[in-house]
Amino acid sequence: ILNVEQSPQSLHVQEGDSTNFTCSFPSSNFYALHWYRWETAKSPEALFVMTLNGDEKKKGRISATLNTKEGYSYLYIKGSQPEDSATYLCAFWIDYKLSFGAGTTVTVRA
Amino acid sequence: DAMVIQNPRYQVTQFGKPVTLSCSQTLNHNVMYWYQQKSSQAPKLLFHYYDKDFNNEADTPDNFQSRRPNTSFCFLDIRSPGLGDAAMYLCATSRGETQQYFGPGTRLTVT
Repeated sequence: ILNVEQSPQSLHVQEGDSTNFTCSFPSSNFYALHWYRWETAKSPEALFVMTLNGDEKKKGRISATLNTKEGYSYLYIKGSQPEDSATYLCAFWIDYKLSFGAGTTVTVRA
Repeated sequence: DAMVIQNPRYQVTQFGKPVTLSCSQTLNHNVMYWYQQKSSQAPKLLFHYYDKDFNNEADTPDNFQSRRPNTSFCFLDIRSPGLGDAAMYLCATSRGETQQYFGPGTRLTVT
């Protein structure tokens, strides 16, 4: 069983504040790490596919970094807005499939 | 817009009564996946089709079956649902080993 851990499980952030959270994964045999955003009643949406150690990707106010040697990725939200409220899932690609973490649920308070 | 569609969005079935969930896609992707997600847990892959090749996960119960009659459609059949099968079922597609595109899910309730 492959353990992909995400922490914290949930967090509340004030509108306008920045936040970040972690995904940890096995550091051996790395191929790719995916981040998805899942808003309530909608389809999970791909944010980033990260493959290279030291990679940093950005989409609007959301960015992610990757450290494959130590087995973690951070996702950052700058200046949180209510529309950022969602569950953020990371997934580790192994054996031709994705192994997901349980997600970090972000609630942005106005 | 190209997309992944799941029907129904909410399904209520009785204990032991067979149920089928459907997934269709307009992306023309060759890979289709079925995941099960129980409350606050990680989505768990049940099986996937790579083109016509069916790949079952080792820990997927025999109670769960799948059919892919063509590129666009994939079905999840639960032959005798138990209370423990109540969950969100997600369908996803991809072109090979790339990012996956998800449907909105079907929430299954077993009474």
